[in-house]
Amino acid sequence: NAGVTQTPKFRILKIGQSMTLQCAQDMNHNYMYWYRQDPGMGLKLIYYSVGAGITDKGEVPNGYNVSRSTTEDFPLRLELAAPSQTSVYFCASSEGAGYTFGSGTRLTVV
Amino acid sequence: AQSVTQLDSHVSVSEGTPVLLRCNYSSSYSPSLFWYVQHPNKGLQLLLKYTSAATLVKGINGFEAEFKKSETSFHLTKPSAHMSDAAEYFCVVRRNQGGKLIFGQGTELSVKP
Repeated sequence: NAGVTQTPKFRILKIGQSMTLQCAQDMNHNYMYWYRQDPGMGLKLIYYSVGAGITDKGEVPNGYNVSRSTTEDFPLRLELAAPSQTSVYFCASSEGAGYTFGSGTRLTVV
Repeated sequence: AQSVTQLDSHVSVSEGTPVLLRCNYSSSYSPSLFWYVQHPNKGLQLLLKYTSAATLVKGINGFEAEFKKSETSFHLTKPSAHMSDAAEYFCVVRRNQGGKLIFGQGTELSVKP
């Protein structure tokens, strides 16, 4: 099993550009999450979803959007990239007590 | 509201000596608690988890943690540090199954030869 797959692994964006970070899981988990990790910090929750068609804001949702049209996919959208969005982004899924993280997307906005 | 506080931002030990990484939590409910490790430029790896079973939890790579409700603590220990243990460690709390994870700010562990 692949677990949680994130693409791309690295990306450089110019200010004002948009992009979508992809996240897919093959474990049939209902719960999925997007976190960001800034240097020297823990992870902060951006958005989460408890199932297909249901999403909700986390701690730091401003500047981001998500959708959950299927159980497997949970893309994160940046509409107008800003330098403050330079970070490492982690997608995760869970069911019961088990959490599985993707390997991360390192995004730089210049 | 739930929160987690890692009491040390950086811990340095010598190889072969014990490791203690401290974590206090705040939760109105019985929490699930986790320790994750992150090696440089890598993703997160689960070390161990507490989910209201035994209070002493054994994890991978010789790590263990003890849940102490009276002290609201969940400190991570290892009897003998190895060079490969050098990494960032995160204490994490979750309120219920499938619930959101709340991360501490992390403790960087350095291991000297």
